[in-house]
Amino acid sequence: KAGVTQTPRYLIKTRGQQVTLSCSPISGHRSVSWYQQTPGQGLQFLFEYFSETQRNKGNFPGRFSGRQFSNSRSEMNVSTLELGDSALYLCASSYSHGAHTDTQYFGPGTRLTVL
Amino acid sequence: AQSVTQLDSQVPVFEEAPVELRCNYSSSVSVYLFWYVQYPNQGLQLLLKYLSGSTLVESINGFEAEFNKSQTSFHLRKPSVHISDTAEYFCAVARANFGNEKLTFGTGTRLTIIP
Repeated sequence: KAGVTQTPRYLIKTRGQQVTLSCSPISGHRSVSWYQQTPGQGLQFLFEYFSETQRNKGNFPGRFSGRQFSNSRSEMNVSTLELGDSALYLCASSYSHGAHTDTQYFGPGTRLTVL
Repeated sequence: AQSVTQLDSQVPVFEEAPVELRCNYSSSVSVYLFWYVQYPNQGLQLLLKYLSGSTLVESINGFEAEFNKSQTSFHLRKPSVHISDTAEYFCAVARANFGNEKLTFGTGTRLTIIP
């Protein structure tokens, strides 16, 4: 079956703009999590959605938001972009909600560059 | 809160030599432990995980890790590495039995195989 897909794969924006990233989970998966990966901070959890509800949230400012649709696809939005938002944004899906007996499957990521 | 320390940011190893990637964690409660691998320009893939039971867990490609509760470690080992093992490896932890628990990742170890 198809893996987790993320679009776009690469994105260049300027400071102050906003951006929307998309994630399509594996068919049948209802949980979608988002992570930010940077060389300095490593992988940091942003938020998790399950059945269109945000179930868990990391320690990021309110400029970072997300949502999940009824088909489990998820979008992540970053408003008023800052240079420090340049990162690889990874999406992961799993069948159930945070039960680690289920494997999280990661997408290839969206590389965001803020100029 | 949980934390993960990966003691080596880079590990160069000759092909067919053994390797150990070190991971220590900190938590006041029981944990689940994971190793993920990230190949260049790809997302993360689960390599192996410890949830309960036998403290020695193995992956299909020859890696193994041993959960050591007294030393709070979950080191990853392989007796003989190949060029294809070149990647970045991430150790992660989650509190056990918390249904919506997020993963906390280490900063990663870049494994470079020298021909």
